[in-house]
Amino acid sequence: QVQLVQSGAEVKKPGASVKVSCKASGYSFTAYYVNWVRQAPGQGLEWMGSISPSSGDTDYAQSFQGRITMTRDTSVSTAYMELSRLRSDDTAIYYCARGRDFWGLGTLVTVSS
Amino acid sequence: AIQMTQSPSSLSASVGDRVTITCRASQGIRNDLGWYQQKPGKAPKLLIYGSSSLQSGVPSRFSGSGSGTDFTLTISSLQPEDFATYYCLQDYDYRWTFGQGTKVELK
Repeated sequence: QVQLVQSGAEVKKPGASVKVSCKASGYSFTAYYVNWVRQAPGQGLEWMGSISPSSGDTDYAQSFQGRITMTRDTSVSTAYMELSRLRSDDTAIYYCARGRDFWGLGTLVTVSS
Repeated sequence: AIQMTQSPSSLSASVGDRVTITCRASQGIRNDLGWYQQKPGKAPKLLIYGSSSLQSGVPSRFSGSGSGTDFTLTISSLQPEDFATYYCLQDYDYRWTFGQGTKVELK
């Protein structure tokens, strides 16, 4: 069955970077875009960007341009999202999603001094 | 960027009620709209895609309609497990945008 297994919770200081992984199984990793979506505490869903696992092409939301990098490693069917220059308002659950249908369980990133 | 305006932001309903949630897009998005259900502490779950297609395994009491700019999610008879927050998502533009969410609470 399709599974997206995300890396564990992270606690970071302001100004640091975080890299979240999303390991896919149960389907052809290169056949579907991977999207990243985040959700701040008590807030709605915010699309961050997407990556084509086959080509590596990326597209980022304007609000994250310059701070976000999405990559993938097809040898281990894993997508990565790195966010730099973290601020307290980056505290959120970060989800990866296969296309629009299957989502990972989320990774909590807490930014606190 | 395409803006999605979802309403209401919350509603109170009873088991068995018919519930309707709407989303309006700032420009035409054909039928490239999905609906998600999210329960506390859980990832969003896709209910409807392509405006009206029911995702596999989703109960038939959920239905979607609309095209262009105006869309509706209907729950025909609200069940206890349906109390949750619902979001619309446009994927007409590869830069997704979500509605603000509708929290469905017990009256």
